[in-house]
Amino acid sequence: NAGVTQTPKFRVLKTGQSMTLLCAQDMNHEYMYWYRQDPGMGLRLIHYSVGEGTTAKGEVPDGYNVSRLKKQNFLLGLESAAPSQTSVYFCASSRGQVRNTEAFFGQGTRLTVV
Amino acid sequence: GENVEQHPSTLSVQEGDSAVIKCTYSDSASNYFPWYKQELGKRPQLIIDIRSNVGEKKDQRIAVTLNKTAKHFSLHITETQPEDSAVYFCAASIPDSWGKLQFGAGTQVVVTP
Repeated sequence: NAGVTQTPKFRVLKTGQSMTLLCAQDMNHEYMYWYRQDPGMGLRLIHYSVGEGTTAKGEVPDGYNVSRLKKQNFLLGLESAAPSQTSVYFCASSRGQVRNTEAFFGQGTRLTVV
Repeated sequence: GENVEQHPSTLSVQEGDSAVIKCTYSDSASNYFPWYKQELGKRPQLIIDIRSNVGEKKDQRIAVTLNKTAKHFSLHITETQPEDSAVYFCAASIPDSWGKLQFGAGTQVVVTP
């Protein structure tokens, strides 16, 4: 099993450009998440999904959109990139039970917006 | 919503000594407290977790303690080794929150030989 895989690993965007980050998991997990990691701020939740076809806003959703058309994939979109979106983005998944369980993270995407 | 504070932000220890990282949380309903280790350039990985019905949990050189009354929990690493150098994150989660985690800001641990 590959676990959680993110594509791409690195990207440089110009202000105003758009892009999509792809997250794929092969563990049949119900729940998936997108976090961003900035120095001194830990990981902050952008959006999450509790199942195929469902998405919800997290702590810092502005400027991002998501979609979960297939259970194994969770896409994060930036419609018009801004320098404030320069960050490391992590996707994560978990089994999805009433009792909280381990979240498995992807390897991260380092995004720079110039 | 839940707020998690983590201290210290950096911790330098000599190899063989112990390291302690402390976190406090705001929502008394929180019942799940994982700790993640992130090596430089790598993904966060779970090293230990504790649930609110338990006061302490150990796994070899790592232990976590939970004080529900004071709303704080701590990570203890004994006999530190150079491979323990990493950023450690605490997190908290409330019931029925679809596994959402509120993370602390992280602690950079440096173990010097």
